[in-house]
Amino acid sequence: DAMVIQNPRYQVTQFGKPVTLSCSQTLNHNVMYWYQQKSSQAPKLLFHYYDKDFNNEADTPDNFQSRRPNTSFCFLDIRSPGLGDAAMYLCATSRVLGGGYTFGSGTRLTVV
Amino acid sequence: LAKTTQPISMDSYEGQEVNITCSHNNIATNDYITWYQQFPSQGPRFIIQGYKTKVTNEVASLFIPADRKSSTLSLPRVSLSDTAVYYCLVGAPGGSGYSTLTFGKGTMLLVSP
Repeated sequence: DAMVIQNPRYQVTQFGKPVTLSCSQTLNHNVMYWYQQKSSQAPKLLFHYYDKDFNNEADTPDNFQSRRPNTSFCFLDIRSPGLGDAAMYLCATSRVLGGGYTFGSGTRLTVV
Repeated sequence: LAKTTQPISMDSYEGQEVNITCSHNNIATNDYITWYQQFPSQGPRFIIQGYKTKVTNEVASLFIPADRKSSTLSLPRVSLSDTAVYYCLVGAPGGSGYSTLTFGKGTMLLVSP
């Protein structure tokens, strides 16, 4: 029944070693988002895709990239993770921009 | 994007009704109000969305006054499992231009026995 699936649930990576987080959806939603949530903070939008159109938030570091090869999948690439990038990364989808979001369970990233 | 203000935290007891109010003074004409619930180590979960007056579903009610500058999420007869962070978001679904939803600080609801 899972509709937005994030893998893995927990990811440990080394400082400076590239890491990729994945998200897939079975809802056929047009929009996919990536949020970063640090401990005791609200989710912060990094970027989103509307279909194939990529939209980056102005304050998203260049270290963060994203790919959406098809409607169902979206990836978050962190090129050189720093200790400050340790967080929960949340993928969400919506049928229309700003519409009711469906979130995945998140991937908790630890940087060592 | 309309900014929202919510209480940082609220306490309640099992069986009570809880009302969480959100202020959004600069809400735009096309904006809807959406509430999400988040448990620790999970993604937020959609609770309810509305534009004006009152919306009710199986888990909550949303009250929006005529001026739409605030909204109140009402949770009837809360249980321990309702302990979570509740976020109020304002945005225009499907609107032209840039209308993604921005999370505010949220309200941490603690339900005690």
